[in-house]
Amino acid sequence: GAVVSQHPSRVICKSGTSVKIECRSLDFQATTMFWYRQFPKQSLMLMATSNEGSKATYEQGVEKDKFLINHASLTLSTLTVTSAHPEDSSFYICSAPQRGGQGLADTQYFGPGTRLTVL
Amino acid sequence: KNQVEQSPQSLIILEGKNCTLQCNYTVSPFSNLRWYKQDTGRGPVSLTIMTFSENTKSNGRYTATLDADTKQSSLHITASQLSDSASYICVVRGFTSGTYKYIFGTGTRLKVLA
Repeated sequence: GAVVSQHPSRVICKSGTSVKIECRSLDFQATTMFWYRQFPKQSLMLMATSNEGSKATYEQGVEKDKFLINHASLTLSTLTVTSAHPEDSSFYICSAPQRGGQGLADTQYFGPGTRLTVL
Repeated sequence: KNQVEQSPQSLIILEGKNCTLQCNYTVSPFSNLRWYKQDTGRGPVSLTIMTFSENTKSNGRYTATLDADTKQSSLHITASQLSDSASYICVVRGFTSGTYKYIFGTGTRLKVLA
């Protein structure tokens, strides 16, 4: 099946620094990618929809100036957590849909996630 | 309000036993329903995808059912294995606020004991 990768898998940074997380679709093109945040023992929460060549769409309550999203190509989307604080520590996951054939639902492939710890 | 609720919240079973996880949704209009398995510290992996016209779909020891009339789905795991220990997430794709979105359930945490 299709593969979505994320880098880095784990990052520890100091408060106030910025962290960039990459999401790549390895064997298919994705005009749209999704970014999620997951706190311990909770389900995934959609943060934003990344659109290739245009601005990302952010969910209500998500600060677009804090979570910068860039979808520069059909296989790469990046999430930058700016001026990170301890409360930003979380598990960040991206996903990319692969279009199904006519009449078939698209398949959503998730990346392996990035564990961010802000000290 | 579009919601997806799962039960139980957590479940512990012995290896070799069967179990059934439930998913109730209020999403309308409904496009499709997916079950994912998420191992701790990993991204979710798709188990099944079902459209409104499908009643059941199997993937190895996993069998999902869907009743679009009652807006209920279940995931049945047969002959559980230790590797089945994970969170199982029900995701419904529906139309909300003028666009299609994936609405996630809160998940069921399954623990299989030897």
